[in-house]
Amino acid sequence: DIQMTQSPSSLSASVGDRVTITCRASQTIGTYLNWYQHKTGKAPELLIYATSRFLSGVPSRFSGSGSGTDFTLTISSLQPEDFATYYCQQSFSHPRTFGQGTKVEIK
Amino acid sequence: QGQQVQSGAEVKKPGASVKVSCKASGYPFTSYDVNWVRQAPGRGLEWMGWMNPDSGHTGHAQKFQGRVTMTRDTSINTAYMELSSLTSEDTAVYYCARDVYDSSGHSYFDYWGQGTPVTVSS
Repeated sequence: DIQMTQSPSSLSASVGDRVTITCRASQTIGTYLNWYQHKTGKAPELLIYATSRFLSGVPSRFSGSGSGTDFTLTISSLQPEDFATYYCQQSFSHPRTFGQGTKVEIK
Repeated sequence: QGQQVQSGAEVKKPGASVKVSCKASGYPFTSYDVNWVRQAPGRGLEWMGWMNPDSGHTGHAQKFQGRVTMTRDTSINTAYMELSSLTSEDTAVYYCARDVYDSSGHSYFDYWGQGTPVTVSS
């Protein structure tokens, strides 16, 4: 199975800050990497798929990059509604493993 | 706009089984795989398995081997996930999610059910 490791596990940031979350795969996965946002009591929501692609409706302050084993999610200017837990997930093969999550909290 | 609506909360005793349903609407049910994901209290998202509603083919994470069964009823656009031999470790919110493949073969989960809390307690 492909293991996904995120860092940091949690972070504190202020509104307007630039935030970067990293995700590392235990083997190369090309660009088969998705990012989800999960708020307490709600279903997870897709932010980015295929490393850097978006569906309509995702704010432009979110961006993704990387390839192979190392990936990054960046929030260019943190907004109040962005406080949540973020998960990476590989879609290269089954099982479709998730990272352990990064909780973004208010400083 | 597609959506997936799951069955309600369940409370089960250790050793019992639970069956969660996921009813799809707004899109052709048999055209997209259904995946199941859970989140235990204080833990992250855990992928459990997938099912192709057209063929009925399934796959699951090794840790659920022998305990998880995924089925569907195409007449009512509903997928089911049954987990047996429950322990307290299975207390979690269970989600179904639609798996979409784009033209380049990348896949992602776009529509998620609202989640079904399952509590296992004696």
